[in-house]
Amino acid sequence: GENVEQHPSTLSVQEGDSAVIKCTYSDSASNYFPWYKQELGKRPQLIIDIRSNVGEKKDQRIAVTLNKTAKHFSLHITETQPEDSAVYFCAASYADGLTFGKGTHLIIQP
Amino acid sequence: NAGVTQTPKFRILKIGQSMTLQCTQDMNHNYMYWYRQDPGMGLKLIYYSVGAGITDKGEVPNGYNVSRSTTEDFPLRLELAAPSQTSVYFCASVGGGSYNEQFFGPGTRLTVL
Repeated sequence: GENVEQHPSTLSVQEGDSAVIKCTYSDSASNYFPWYKQELGKRPQLIIDIRSNVGEKKDQRIAVTLNKTAKHFSLHITETQPEDSAVYFCAASYADGLTFGKGTHLIIQP
Repeated sequence: NAGVTQTPKFRILKIGQSMTLQCTQDMNHNYMYWYRQDPGMGLKLIYYSVGAGITDKGEVPNGYNVSRSTTEDFPLRLELAAPSQTSVYFCASVGGGSYNEQFFGPGTRLTVL
């Protein structure tokens, strides 16, 4: 089955700096790669996703890049703000659903 | 649309008790999932369903059962609760095929003492 590795497990950045979270996947048939943000005590919510026919997608301060050959994809957050503090999960699709990474705890230092 | 709803929000069980966690979605989604999330950890798939009458095991199915008699409802049954089942349980649904956004319910926080 699909295996998704996510790094780092914890990331601390100064407010205003950029943050990058990386994921690798194992199944070359995966073609959908979403990123979810989970604030403390809340449900995971989709923030951005990318499909295999696209190499990069951007939405304001958030961007995702995909390298299908290398089987890795990354989340980039620029100009980080206090409200970006949360746990971020990457995921890769398989036939019947998604396999999630273990999550990255992003801490924004004032 | 209410989206994905779950009841109850919180529950405390004694060891050996049973209960059913309810999940309902009003988006006419075919795919539904149950995950558990232990403190500080990621999401582990318990069971899933690709449509009414069809269910399948995920990564951690032991101690749980599901049914899917309608498109809207996907209840999760815990039999003989154990402390290891203390967790937050999330239900999710997807429409138009599995390669789309999963919408999560607000979760049920379960403690087994």
